[in-house]
Amino acid sequence: DAGVTQSPTHLIKTRGQQVTLRCSPKSGHDTVSWYQQALGQGPQFIFQYYEEEERQRGNFPDRFSGHQFPNYSSELNVNALLLGDSALYLCASSPGTVSGNTIYFGEGSWLTVV
Amino acid sequence: GIQVEQSPPDLILQEGANSTLRCNFSDSVNNLQWFHQNPWGQLINLFYIPSGTKQNGRLSATTVATERYSLLYISSSQTTDSGVYFCASQGGSYIPTFGRGTSLIVHP
Repeated sequence: DAGVTQSPTHLIKTRGQQVTLRCSPKSGHDTVSWYQQALGQGPQFIFQYYEEEERQRGNFPDRFSGHQFPNYSSELNVNALLLGDSALYLCASSPGTVSGNTIYFGEGSWLTVV
Repeated sequence: GIQVEQSPPDLILQEGANSTLRCNFSDSVNNLQWFHQNPWGQLINLFYIPSGTKQNGRLSATTVATERYSLLYISSSQTTDSGVYFCASQGGSYIPTFGRGTSLIVHP
């Protein structure tokens, strides 16, 4: 049973560029969430997708957007990249949106903005 | 939103030692999870423990929801236990809040 998979694992972008990160949830999971983890910090919730719609959003600007596909996979898009967007981006999946469900994380995508 | 504080921020142990990591949260929670982040960045789910006590091998966790804290116990630590331990809580909304983590180094 494949867990949560993310791609790419590492990437380097220039300020002002746009980036797309991808995530496939664990089998049987229909809810995908994205997190940003800066160095030395805990993960910060960006948003959650369920039934192809954004259901919850953390305190992130509109430059951060996402999408969920009918097969439950998801993309995170970040426009107009800033140096401060350099971080580990984590995708997590769960079976449903209820807060009591265990969440499982992928290995993350390391983004460096130069 | 819920505030989560973890202590200690850093911990250095000799192999074989025991340790206790603490997580305090500011409000009632529906969910409390402990994670271990390995050096490559992956977060591994250790416990889903909104209340009570659970054990898994050398690890155990206890959450006292009425007093708003959770403890993670590591016994007979091994070098492979090194990494960062996070707790994350969820209240009424889905949005999970993570603490800043406890960085653990276990020396052989």
